[in-house]
Amino acid sequence: DSGVTQTPKHLITATGQRVTLRCSPRSGDLSVYWYQQSLDQGLQFLIQYYNGEERAKGNILERFSAQQFPDLHSELNLSSLELGDSALYFCASSAHRHTSTDTQYFGPGTRLTVL
Amino acid sequence: QKEVEQDPGPLSVPEGAIVSLNCTYSNSAFQYFMWYRQYSRKGPELLMYTYSSGNKEDGRFTAQVDKSSKYISLFIRDSQPSDSATYLCAMSADAGNNRKLIWGLGTSLAVNP
Repeated sequence: DSGVTQTPKHLITATGQRVTLRCSPRSGDLSVYWYQQSLDQGLQFLIQYYNGEERAKGNILERFSAQQFPDLHSELNLSSLELGDSALYFCASSAHRHTSTDTQYFGPGTRLTVL
Repeated sequence: QKEVEQDPGPLSVPEGAIVSLNCTYSNSAFQYFMWYRQYSRKGPELLMYTYSSGNKEDGRFTAQVDKSSKYISLFIRDSQPSDSATYLCAMSADAGNNRKLIWGLGTSLAVNP
């Protein structure tokens, strides 16, 4: 168990809908990363937060947004969902912004299916 | 062409076999190389981390980097059924900068008892 929790485990929804994925980092970790994993694209970095502030954006669509709250948990909001958004969404946490020994710990993921 | 190429497999081997997993890459600036293991319905977990060229050993696992050939390998000795998982390589030019990691698609490994 990595210590990172994600809810829900599975989510089935329809096109055009909006969903919220939740992540609680490991105790003491300040950085949270969101990733999308699909069979054809592999793991794609979406966005990073550090201690409540957005730190970096990757391949995140404008329909997607995220935030990190004062208690350090994070939420990823996906709106106007399309069939192609169906994927596994992972949250990872690490202790710092980035150091040479800053290991990421991944949560178990949320499987999103858009019908 | 993707920056990181990894044969998706599946790779099926008998218990006790030596397994070789590989990735090739195109960006000569990559210096930091990682192998992650991902069990079904779980997130990836870091197995090995190497810098630049050379070998690194950790128990039954050996990571090898050949920067001249832009080729990295993970060897698993005395493979066990518990090694059955998908193995992802990841690499970057920037030390510890997780958001700049480029990931392979993963190789699925099955070790048969």
